Parts: sequence; structure tokens; C-alpha cells
Amino acid sequence: GNSVTQMEGPVTLSEEAFLTINCTYTATGYPSLFWYVQYPGEGLQLLLKATKADDKGSNKGFEATYRKETTSFHLEKGSVQVSDSAVYFCALTDTGRRALTFGSGTRLQVQP
Amino acid sequence: SQTIHQWPATLVQPVGSPLSLECTVEGTSNPNLYWYRQAAGRGLQLLFYSVGIGQISSEVPQNLSASRPQDRQFILSSKKLLLSDSGFYLCAWSVRFGLNVWGNSGANVLTFGAGSRLTVL
Repeated sequence: GNSVTQMEGPVTLSEEAFLTINCTYTATGYPSLFWYVQYPGEGLQLLLKATKADDKGSNKGFEATYRKETTSFHLEKGSVQVSDSAVYFCALTDTGRRALTFGSGTRLQVQP
Repeated sequence: SQTIHQWPATLVQPVGSPLSLECTVEGTSNPNLYWYRQAAGRGLQLLFYSVGIGQISSEVPQNLSASRPQDRQFILSSKKLLLSDSGFYLCAWSVRFGLNVWGNSGANVLTFGAGSRLTVL
């Protein structure tokens, strides 16, 4: 079945540092890929998405490229802020279940 | 615009007591509806999804159940809570999943509610 693997956290960075959170997936067919963000005590918000190979999703300075050859969708940001501290989830569509399959989440802590 | 509401936001219940979490969606028709659970330090687990009134698919065996009495209402229930039922429950909705020309579901985004934190003591 479909699955998503994320790097374990927490990831601790200083403000303005470069961020990479790794995400790889296993899937049949051509899933769409997503990054969601969860701020403390809140639900999940869509951060960005990509629907086919080589697509780049971007939002709020975050980027991720759909790499079918490496089955990856790594999240990057050039300069993180304290306000980026949150848990980040990688996800893919599961057509058979008409739902999203999520990774385990990666907690990011940005220190001033 | 579409909005999704979940309640209660926080709930503390004794073991063996019943549970009812409610979720409603406004501003759309015929949505797909979902219940996910996020246990402490773990990812999101899909519990139930529904493609229409009275149509519920269960993902994992458990003492929880779901119902969809109306098009935009989704309820998560239990007759007797267990300690292991503690967690953060998230309701979500999406437009109907369909396939695009590449044979995938396109950008069928899930929109989540604010969540309900359940503590079973």
C-alpha cells in the first residue's frame, strides 16, 4: 500500500538558517503530493502541493519538487523564522481510499 | 467560502464513558468527509471516511464508530472509551476525488477542522 516516510525530528535551527525536511514515498500510480503544517494546538493547514512529476509547489517561502525518479518530495526554505516553528506533515493521495496518507510528521523548532 | 467546525474542542472523559464528537461543513455540497486521529508523538491515522449520507468506510478495527446523518455532518462516537482512545481527533472534508488525465487524484485537497483533544482518564 501507499506510505510516506519523513525524517524524524525535532529539527532545531537558528533563525535565518536553511531548512530541509526529507520526505520519500511508496505508491502505485501517480499520486499527488502535499505538505501540511500544524501550529501548536491547531488543526492542519495545507502548505503546498504538486500533482505530477517535476512540479514544484511553493508557498510562504517554502518549496518542494515532485521527484518521481527518487520518489521524494523534500521541503525546503532558504531562511526560516521563529514563526515557522510547527509540525510539518508530508502526504500523498490514495486514490483507492479517496483519502490522504500522512507521514509521521517532523517538528521544527526555530530559535531566535 | 467553505468552513468546517468541530466540537467540543477539548474533552476529558473517564474510561468506559461514551463519546460523541461532531463535525459540520458549510458552503459546499456532497463533500467527502474524514476522521483522523493523531496520538501523542505519532502521525495521523485515518479512522473513517464517507462519500455520502449513510456511507461510512472504516480503516482500522476499534471501538469507535462514525455516522453521517446529513450531507454535511459527520459524527464520531464510542459506547465505551478506552485509555488508548486519547488523542487529537481531526475532521476534514474534500471535494469528490476524481482522476485527472494522468490517472491520479489531482489536487484534491483535504481541509481540516481545528481538532478535538480527547483525554481519557
